[in-house]
Order: sequence, then structure tokens, then C-alpha cells
Amino acid sequence: KQEVTQIPAALSVPEGENLVLNCSFTDSAIYNLQWFRQDPGKGLTSLLLIQSSQREQTSGRLNASLDKSSGRSTLYIAASQPGDSATYLCAVRKNTNAGKSTFGDGTTLTVKP
Amino acid sequence: NAGVTQTPKFRVLKTGQSMTLLCAQDMNHEYMYWYRQDPGMGLRLIHYSVGEGTTAKGEVPDGYNVSRLKKQNFLLGLESAAPSQTSVYFCASIPGGGKNIQYFGAGTRLSVL
Repeated sequence: KQEVTQIPAALSVPEGENLVLNCSFTDSAIYNLQWFRQDPGKGLTSLLLIQSSQREQTSGRLNASLDKSSGRSTLYIAASQPGDSATYLCAVRKNTNAGKSTFGDGTTLTVKP
Repeated sequence: NAGVTQTPKFRVLKTGQSMTLLCAQDMNHEYMYWYRQDPGMGLRLIHYSVGEGTTAKGEVPDGYNVSRLKKQNFLLGLESAAPSQTSVYFCASIPGGGKNIQYFGAGTRLSVL
């Protein structure tokens, strides 16, 4: 059974700092990995999706990497801003035919002005 | 496009009552999902659908039923609500055809007393 772990559970940083969020998974036979952002009381917003054949994806100040062999992904946020404060979740998908995504519990990020 | 729309946003039920949660997407997506999100347990898949007229069980299907009579709608039913079903329910959809970004609705907050 796939298990996804996100450490740390919470992170507080001053504005402007670069930071890394971690996601680890136990079964390396994944199809893709997706990073989401969730604001309090809201749904999930997709940030980046990395296919299993890819090593990284970038969008603006965000960069996500994937190392399937070690079962790890990182989300790098450059020059953090208070508006980045949210919970960040990663999810791994096993195969192409819909089916199951396994989610981590998330890392709650607070960026202090 | 409205994206993924969930109805209602909030609901309070008494034990034993029934209700239906509606998920509608206007993006012509093939795959649709129902998740529940509980503190400390992450998002867990309840049921999913790989196309109109199809449904399949996810990780925690007991006590729920689903239907997908039209491609754009995915209904989640609770026949006899229990306090253990108090949760936040999220609907999601994926385009299919190799495009696998998952889009989420804003959620339905359900309390069963």
C-alpha cells in the first residue's frame, strides 16, 4: 500500500526566505506526482504536476523535483511571500486509468511579514 | 468555465437522515472522484468514475453510493448518515486522454449530529 509522508507538518519562515517542502512515498511505481495548495476552508489548487519520466517542473517561483528511485519529491519556493501561507499537499498517482491518488497530510506554511 | 462546482457548501444532518451531494464539472472531463478530508487522515478516496455510466469503489466506500448518469455530474449519496461521516467532502475531476491534472471543487462541509 502506498504511503505518502510530508515533513515537516508545519513550517514558519520570514518573508523573503527560500524554502523546501518535502514529500516521500513508499512505492516508486508511480505515474505522476502532483503538488497542491489548500487555503483554509477552501478546495485544493493544483500547483505543479510531474510525470514519472520527468525530473522537475517549474512555475514562477515554484520548482518541484522528483526522484522516483528514492521515493522523494521536493517543492522549492523562492523568495517566499505572506500570500504563500497555506497548506501544501503532494499526491502520487499509480497508473493512468484514473484510480487512486494517495495524498500526504500536508505541510502548513506560514510566511511572516 | 466554472470548473468543478459542489452543492451544497454546508449541511447539517441528523443521524439516519439521507442526502445527496452534487458535483458538476463543465470541462468535459472523463474521470471524477469523491474524497473526504479528515484531520490527521488526509484525503481519502470514497468512489470514483472513469466515464459516464461507470463507478468504482475507492478506499473508504462503506456507507456511500454514487451515480454518474451524465458525464458532467457525479452524485454522492448517504442513505443513512452516521456521525462518523462528519467530514469535508471534495469532488475532483481529471480530463483523461493522458492529461492528468486533478481539479478540485471548493468542498462540502457536512456535520452529522
